[in-house]
Amino acid sequence: NAGVTQTPKFQVLKTGQSMTLQCAQDMNHEYMSWYRQDPGMGLRLIHYSVGAGITDQGEVPNGYNVSRSTTEDFPLRLLSAAPSQTSVYFCASSYRQGPSWGTEAFFGQGTRLTVV
Amino acid sequence: TQLLEQSPQFLSIQEGENLTVYCNSSSVFSSLQWYRQEPGEGPVLLVTVVTGGEVKKLKRLTFQFGDARKDSSLHITAAQPGDTGLYLCAGAQAAGNKLTFGGGTRVLVKP
Repeated sequence: NAGVTQTPKFQVLKTGQSMTLQCAQDMNHEYMSWYRQDPGMGLRLIHYSVGAGITDQGEVPNGYNVSRSTTEDFPLRLLSAAPSQTSVYFCASSYRQGPSWGTEAFFGQGTRLTVV
Repeated sequence: TQLLEQSPQFLSIQEGENLTVYCNSSSVFSSLQWYRQEPGEGPVLLVTVVTGGEVKKLKRLTFQFGDARKDSSLHITAAQPGDTGLYLCAGAQAAGNKLTFGGGTRVLVKP
């Protein structure tokens, strides 16, 4: 079972370069999200989507763009990479549920990005 | 400033000892989840608690949700080296999908 697949696993960028982190899920989940993980800070939400064609900003959206043209895919774009974007990035997906109870988020294996 | 504060940040214990990890907030959550993350992997869900005062047990792991739904704890009894990892709490407020994560507690269980 594939679950949530992220590519690439590792990437080194020069300051100012652009790139797209890919995320695909095969569970037909409506909700997808991108997080970055930095030491001691847990996971911080960058952008999320509640369905195809709908995206919204999370806690730390600056410097990142997303789109959701299909249910399966949710790419994250860095338009002009900066050293502050050096981090581990995780994509997650889940079924969309109501407010009264939690829903399990399934995570990819992460992309370790270094910006020099 | 993080909405969810975890303590301690790091815990190193010997195999067989007990440990407790805390997750605290000044905000009310509709549900709270605990995840474990191993090096090079994404977090994996351990448990979800949704009712104030709820206690859930998963083998040697006991999870509790505070009565006011602002805090939670994870207690591991007789820890084993396989319990080593990063433990993350995550809370959902209004909409159930949007999660806020704590800073994580790194647990090392030495044989």
